[in-house]
Amino acid sequence: QVRLQESGPGLVKPSETLSLTCTVSGGSVSSGTYYWSWIRQPPGKGLEWIGYIYYSGTTNYNPSLKSRVTISLDTSKNQFSLRLSSVTAADTAVYYCARGIPILLWGQGTLVTVSS
Amino acid sequence: SYVLTQPPSVSVAPGKTARITCGGNNIGSKSVHWYQQKPGQAPVLVIYFDSDRPSGIPERFSGSNSGNTATLTISRVEAGDEVDYYCQVWDSRNDPVVFGGGTKLTVL
Repeated sequence: QVRLQESGPGLVKPSETLSLTCTVSGGSVSSGTYYWSWIRQPPGKGLEWIGYIYYSGTTNYNPSLKSRVTISLDTSKNQFSLRLSSVTAADTAVYYCARGIPILLWGQGTLVTVSS
Repeated sequence: SYVLTQPPSVSVAPGKTARITCGGNNIGSKSVHWYQQKPGQAPVLVIYFDSDRPSGIPERFSGSNSGNTATLTISRVEAGDEVDYYCQVWDSRNDPVVFGGGTKLTVL
């Protein structure tokens, strides 16, 4: 079956750029009509949608993060990625990659801590 | 931007019916999805498009949506239902996806 796996640094310094990758196994990021999303959850808090990229490459971002977010698709590696610039401690969270809206498939999540 | 309002907590006795609300302006005109999240785990979709249930989700879970309120109903509540629940809406490709703030269900 299709599985999603997040990867990337668990610690990022303030003002730097957070970069995460979601590897899709058992399926293709370019097949079907899926929205590939990033969602985050600060410790002890609720879910926050960051943005998505459509299989065609179209993106849509959370307005509150739009100026700092880039989501891209790498069909050759069957991955999609998140870049969040100028991070602060408020960006510390578990970051999930996910497929579809509604979301039937989630990655396990990866904790990213912003700290010097 | 569109705001979804959930009560932070809902309490219910075992075996009774829990109702978790999700408020939003004219939410009845939108499609609402509900997720259950256990501690340390990714969320799981329990209701989609207002009232449909994914395969594997017990019939005890149901949903409705009308006016300014969508509701997740959990019948015959069990101890294992004592986790967090989130509503979500998304209108179209040009709109952001929005989550509610989440509700913690407490089984008394």
